[in-house]
Amino acid sequence: GQNIDQPTEMTATEGAIVQINCTYQTSGFNGLFWYQQHAGEAPTFLSYNVLDGLEEKGRFSSFLSRSKGYSYLLLKELQMKDSASYLCAVMGRTDKLIFGTGTRLQVFP
Amino acid sequence: DSGVTQTPKHLITATGQRVTLRCSPRSGDLSVYWYQQSLDQGLQFLIHYYNGEERAKGNILERFSAQQFPDLHSELNLSSLELGDSALYFCASSAGTGGEQYFGPGTRLTVT
Repeated sequence: GQNIDQPTEMTATEGAIVQINCTYQTSGFNGLFWYQQHAGEAPTFLSYNVLDGLEEKGRFSSFLSRSKGYSYLLLKELQMKDSASYLCAVMGRTDKLIFGTGTRLQVFP
Repeated sequence: DSGVTQTPKHLITATGQRVTLRCSPRSGDLSVYWYQQSLDQGLQFLIHYYNGEERAKGNILERFSAQQFPDLHSELNLSSLELGDSALYFCASSAGTGGEQYFGPGTRLTVT
């Protein structure tokens, strides 16, 4: 079966750094994705990891360890607009993208 | 703006009815995916089409069906609607059969 776990909620302060963790168990592995979703809006693509290591994209970085079934999304220099849900998703052996339930991040001034 | 379009934006209908949701992928993308998002379930994969052919199926009910047309737009048909079908329905597209998916703005379906 497939299972993706991430914390339900996190809070952080404007300007700070926050790390959102994701652990997964899947049948096969063809990549791990992070999406940002504001309430009532479409998910927007943030990052894609298929090999182990860190991918950096501006204020956002994503890390993957395939042997540990683990990823994290790192958000630096937090801004109020970063308050959103962050969805971890894994593509297994088939073409199905399986999403975690998301981590709701609240950024406070 | 992801380049994926969905219509309608909102849909209110009664139980037992049938509705059709429409999606146009980004220019050049051959894959279309459909997802359902309800408050208690998160984002659930329904079905994937690639260049007109069904590629993968998720937890899609038998009352639901989809197709992708030669011009690559896709339609999701929901029939015998129940209250529990009320949700946001997203379409996403990608260039091939893997890689990042780009989501449309969604259709909010309310079944009364």
